[in-house]
Amino acid sequence: GQQLNQSPQSMFIQEGEDVSMNCTSSSIFNTWLWYKQDPGEGPVLLIALYKAGELTSNGRLTAQFGITRKDSFLNISASIPSDVGIYFCAGQKGGSEKLVFGKGTKLTVNP
Amino acid sequence: DTGVSQDPRHKITKRGQNVTFRCDPISEHNRLYWYRQTLGQGPEFLTYFQNEAQLEKSRLLSDRFSAERPKGSFSTLEIQRTEQGDSAMYLCASSLAGTLDYEQYFGPGTRLTVT
Repeated sequence: GQQLNQSPQSMFIQEGEDVSMNCTSSSIFNTWLWYKQDPGEGPVLLIALYKAGELTSNGRLTAQFGITRKDSFLNISASIPSDVGIYFCAGQKGGSEKLVFGKGTKLTVNP
Repeated sequence: DTGVSQDPRHKITKRGQNVTFRCDPISEHNRLYWYRQTLGQGPEFLTYFQNEAQLEKSRLLSDRFSAERPKGSFSTLEIQRTEQGDSAMYLCASSLAGTLDYEQYFGPGTRLTVT
């Protein structure tokens, strides 16, 4: 099935560093969401974006809905060990209620 | 805890057996979704309900899969004649139709292993 292109696939950073990851598609999406998943658990919603150009923050997390509606970005500032996990972008197209997910970015934070 | 719950958390079954999973959504949510996730992949949509009506189904949902939400509250997903390729994490999510339609909240998942 269709998936979004998410990069990078993995990141290894030091505690305190900032992190950026992105998600792109050849198709236009109406809504972009970012989730975090820990091993053996379901994804947890971090941020939802509804308008092109929208910039939304949730604590140390900031996400943007790309102007072209074909991409989205997630930034994490001042990373901490509990930021470890897999981050997924998800998009929703008009005419369907389903979310289409990327393959995820695996984040490792070294203390 | 008022989040999405799923039961069982883990299921090991032999090929050819039938299995059924249950999902209880967040109580005020009228939309319920099923997704499947395999190792190294993001979740893939299977089907969704608004109240008791099943409104969208993926081509991934073969004839061996059936989902119900008889009273518009909890939902069940049944897989008949399981195959090894059915091994995956089955995730349920719920949302509230309206302004924040697409904010889907996921349960912890049911991990299925077919031997």
